[in-house]
Amino acid sequence: ETGVTQSPTHLIKTRGQQVTLRCSSQSGHNTVSWYQQALGQGPQFIFQYYREEENGRGNFPPRFSGLQFPNYSSELNVNALELDDSALYLCATKAGGLTDTQYFGPGTRLTVL
Amino acid sequence: AQSVTQLGSHVSVSEGALVLLRCNYSSSVPPYLFWYVQYPNQGLQLLLKYTSAATLVKGINGFEAEFKKSETSFHLTKPSAHMSDAAEYFCAVSSNAGGTSYGKLTFGQGTILTVHP
Repeated sequence: ETGVTQSPTHLIKTRGQQVTLRCSSQSGHNTVSWYQQALGQGPQFIFQYYREEENGRGNFPPRFSGLQFPNYSSELNVNALELDDSALYLCATKAGGLTDTQYFGPGTRLTVL
Repeated sequence: AQSVTQLGSHVSVSEGALVLLRCNYSSSVPPYLFWYVQYPNQGLQLLLKYTSAATLVKGINGFEAEFKKSETSFHLTKPSAHMSDAAEYFCAVSSNAGGTSYGKLTFGQGTILTVHP
């Protein structure tokens, strides 16, 4: 158990809909990153937030957006869902130092029909 | 830019045999390297990390990895496999490059380890 929780565990949406995924940070962790893991692939970096500001982004379109709240919990929002968005979405939190360990949550499995 | 290549998408060993999972990286700046394990329907758990201190890194569950700069490798080993080691393993690289890459983990494609009785 890492202390990082994600909700919901599973989600089924249809193409074109919008979805919000949530992540609760481990105590004392002010940095959160989101990753997309398609079936049979390694996780791909979506973006990172540090103290409520986005400070890094991977090769994902603007319809992937996020928020980090004052308590360092976070949301990932995806608009206009596409079939290829079906994946496991992982959040990872850390205390802020570059080499600090990122602790991953169990993930949210999103299926887009 | 940074990248990770894991050689072998599937590795099968017998219980008690040596485990060797291969990872090669590419990075334009000194890398930080990580091995994570993922059990079915779970998130990723850190096994060990290299952050420019000792080149031989010991992790949890008897795993270790050696950073070899000349070979750009960071292979994961365990002397004796246990049935509970069956899982998927991911090598990842990070760096102190600035800008939008800061702190980002770049993962390999993963290696599924099967342990036979």
